[in-house]
Amino acid sequence: AQSVTQPDIHITVSEGASLELRCNYSYGATPYLFWYVQSPGQGLQLLLKYFSGDTLVQGIKGFEAEFKRSQSSFNLRKPSVHWSDAAEYFCAGGYNKLIFGAGTRLAVHP
Amino acid sequence: EAQVTQNPRYLITVTGKKLTVTCSQNMNHEYMSWYRQDPGLGLRQIYYSMNVEVTDKGDVPEGYKVSRKEKRNFPLILESPSPNQTSLYFCASSRTENTEAFFGQGTRLTVV
Repeated sequence: AQSVTQPDIHITVSEGASLELRCNYSYGATPYLFWYVQSPGQGLQLLLKYFSGDTLVQGIKGFEAEFKRSQSSFNLRKPSVHWSDAAEYFCAGGYNKLIFGAGTRLAVHP
Repeated sequence: EAQVTQNPRYLITVTGKKLTVTCSQNMNHEYMSWYRQDPGLGLRQIYYSMNVEVTDKGDVPEGYKVSRKEKRNFPLILESPSPNQTSLYFCASSRTENTEAFFGQGTRLTVV
């Protein structure tokens, strides 16, 4: 069955530290892949997307993600986290519909 | 400004009292969908619509109805709400079923 897994429910990092949020997918072939961010009380905002081509994609707010077919992964990274990055992050993928992971809640220590 | 508008943002209702959550988009998108968000479960699709008068069940459709009489509107109807439908609901629209989805601000529904 198609699925998207985010292994980490909560992650805490210090401001200025690097960040990596994990996402694994289970599909027969490479799906379309997305990362969304949800700030408290807000809807979901697209950070970046991967359809094909260059496996390292750049997004908004300084985020990037790397697609690794061999690992069925699409991990989100940021070299230096800001306090305003505290939010919930969702990985999503699919062909004919989007399937969302359960989300990773990011806390940032000052 | 491109946007998806949901109303109301917050709603408390009683078991069995029919309610409708409205959703409207101004991007001329063909694909629209409803999700519910519950802690630890991420977003699960309730219903989706590929175009006007074309709707289909998502992963958790029980207890919900939708309609798509116009391209811009996609209301979610709970004919007889129950407490297990207490959740955060999101409407989304996109050009197609696998392109970037634009989300509304969400509707937090409590059924008592």
